[in-house]
Amino acid sequence: GQQVMQIPQYQHVQEGEDFTTYCNSSTTLSNIQWYKQRPGGHPVFLIQLVKSGEVKKQKRLTFQFGEAKKNSSLHITATQTTDVGTYFCGGILTTDSWGKFQFGAGTQVVVTP
Amino acid sequence: DSGVTQTPKHLITATGQRVTLRCSPRSGDLSVYWYQQSLDQGLQFLIQYYNGEERAKGNILERFSAQQFPDLHSELNLSSLELGDSALYFCASSATDRGTDTQYFGPGTRLTVL
Repeated sequence: GQQVMQIPQYQHVQEGEDFTTYCNSSTTLSNIQWYKQRPGGHPVFLIQLVKSGEVKKQKRLTFQFGEAKKNSSLHITATQTTDVGTYFCGGILTTDSWGKFQFGAGTQVVVTP
Repeated sequence: DSGVTQTPKHLITATGQRVTLRCSPRSGDLSVYWYQQSLDQGLQFLIQYYNGEERAKGNILERFSAQQFPDLHSELNLSSLELGDSALYFCASSATDRGTDTQYFGPGTRLTVL
């Protein structure tokens, strides 16, 4: 089954609003990566977090890695229509081999103008 | 453009058949990952190869196999196809075999099994 869980599965946002998507694992993660997949496209790397409690920002996007390294969040402020897509988190469980990358099921974001 | 190429773009076949999907990694990348993306299933990790050797395995069915060749391109073989194998198959490449590298995804191969 899915080892990395993402919520919500779907997010409908009004343009200009903020929202947060969450990523949770029952097992400690060595790292967490976030990818964005536009409709009809392929996943594109956004960012990686490796340290406990780490916070990184990319313009309107804020990424956080939990203190226990079991969860992460992506917060988008002032949502724009260009934010439409599915956001995936993923990482390596500390109990797995280095190459066994586990992705969550993704949060599909729809933006209403 | 990620620099990762996948062929074919689309593949339509019948149940029971066998197909081969091909992936060429970015120049300089030694690692190739294969993923299956079905509706509502996210990206399911299948297998990883590094410099010709299998390094990690996910929930890959026994009917599926993969290999990485000396020129680093990789092929995913799917046999005895079932309707449920219909999905988008992505390969991704990274520089090393470590899961902390950025993965660069190809455009995917859409497989339809009728």
